[in-house]
Amino acid sequence: GENVEQHPSTLSVQEGDSAVIKCTYSDSASNYFPWYKQELGKGPQLIIDIRSNVGEKKDQRIAVTLNKTAKHFSLHITETQPEDSAVYFCAAPPGGWGKLQFGAGTQVVVTP
Amino acid sequence: DAGVIQSPRHEVTEMGQEVTLRCKPISGHNSLFWYRQTMMRGLELLIYFNNNVPIDDSGMPEDRFSAKMPNASFSTLKIQPSEPRDSAVYFCASSLLATQVLFFGPGTRLTVT
Repeated sequence: GENVEQHPSTLSVQEGDSAVIKCTYSDSASNYFPWYKQELGKGPQLIIDIRSNVGEKKDQRIAVTLNKTAKHFSLHITETQPEDSAVYFCAAPPGGWGKLQFGAGTQVVVTP
Repeated sequence: DAGVIQSPRHEVTEMGQEVTLRCKPISGHNSLFWYRQTMMRGLELLIYFNNNVPIDDSGMPEDRFSAKMPNASFSTLKIQPSEPRDSAVYFCASSLLATQVLFFGPGTRLTVT
């Protein structure tokens, strides 16, 4: 089955700096790679996703890059702000369809 | 849209009791997922339905857990009997088939004493 590994588990950054979270996956059939943000006491919420036919996607201060050959994808947050503090999860679909296998999560803390 | 609705938001029960968690997916969505979140195991998929039909229940821990989706707007997750190790936050999520984009509810925090 799919194995999604996420690093680091915690990340502390100064406000204004960039944050990068990396994930690797094992199933070569996976073709969809979302990132979710979970704030305290809430359910995860999709912030950006990428499909396997593109290598990079941007949405304002966040971007995701994908390397299908190496089976890894990364989340980049630029000009971090205190409201970026949350837990971020990557995910991938085993077999390329249906359910999502989530990574273990990264606790991001943005300090003023 | 109200989003995915879960009830109750918090449940405290004693070991051995039956627990029923409820979920109303977003109107029009035809896939529904039950996830469990703990510090030790992270986000685990328990079961998911497409068009009200269970597709994959391989994540259901044991026979004490059961899930139903009698219609497109309602699903339940039942634990009978409950045990302290079932304590976790249970999330329901819904999506449109083929999009793979999950919309999570606020979760039910279950504590079994």
